[in-house]
Amino acid sequence: DVKVTQSSRYLVKRTGEKVFLECVQDMDHENMFWYRQDPGLGLRLIYFSYDVKMKEKGDIPEGYSVSREKKERFSLILESASTNQTSMYLCASTWRGRANEQFFGPGTRLTVL
Amino acid sequence: KNEVEQSPQNLTAQEGEFITINCSYSVGISALHWLQQHPGGGIVSLFMLSSGKKKHGRLIATINIQEKHSSLHITASHPRDSAVYICAVAGVVGTASKLTFGTGTRLQVTL
Repeated sequence: DVKVTQSSRYLVKRTGEKVFLECVQDMDHENMFWYRQDPGLGLRLIYFSYDVKMKEKGDIPEGYSVSREKKERFSLILESASTNQTSMYLCASTWRGRANEQFFGPGTRLTVL
Repeated sequence: KNEVEQSPQNLTAQEGEFITINCSYSVGISALHWLQQHPGGGIVSLFMLSSGKKKHGRLIATINIQEKHSSLHITASHPRDSAVYICAVAGVVGTASKLTFGTGTRLQVTL
């Protein structure tokens, strides 16, 4: 079974802190994605990566950065957390190609105080 | 206007009822996905389809490419079907499977 894991299920941080969210997949997927999910807005793509060290901005990249040093790991970084970044963060991965099933992690609920 | 619209937003049904959730989209797609999200956050993929119809147990998904519309049907609904159902479309450009999501349909099935 494909497994996508995220480093934390719940996280509470203070405004201005640097926050790292980690995602690891065990199926040798080329593509990895970071989304945030907010009530009434659905899932929105923050960043994605189609290979090691490669990244592309999604629809809402402002305030975020990413790192992919190894194929199995994709990190989302909030350089200086703000209250409007309180959200559910979901990681997903898939094989290369335009029409492949995405496998999601369990999500990290981040609260920024 | 969102590129992916779902209806209804909320749905309450009694156990055993036949349920339909609709999804309309306004862009060209390479595939459409139906996803299920239970309380607690985890999302699982139910179907990926680019034409016709797919069936898995009590779940059926259909798509009409010309009308840019898809439906998810649940036959003989059960309380364990209570979840948020999300429609997502994969674009026709680019190399990665970038998805655009609807806002979801919250389904509650009661005894």
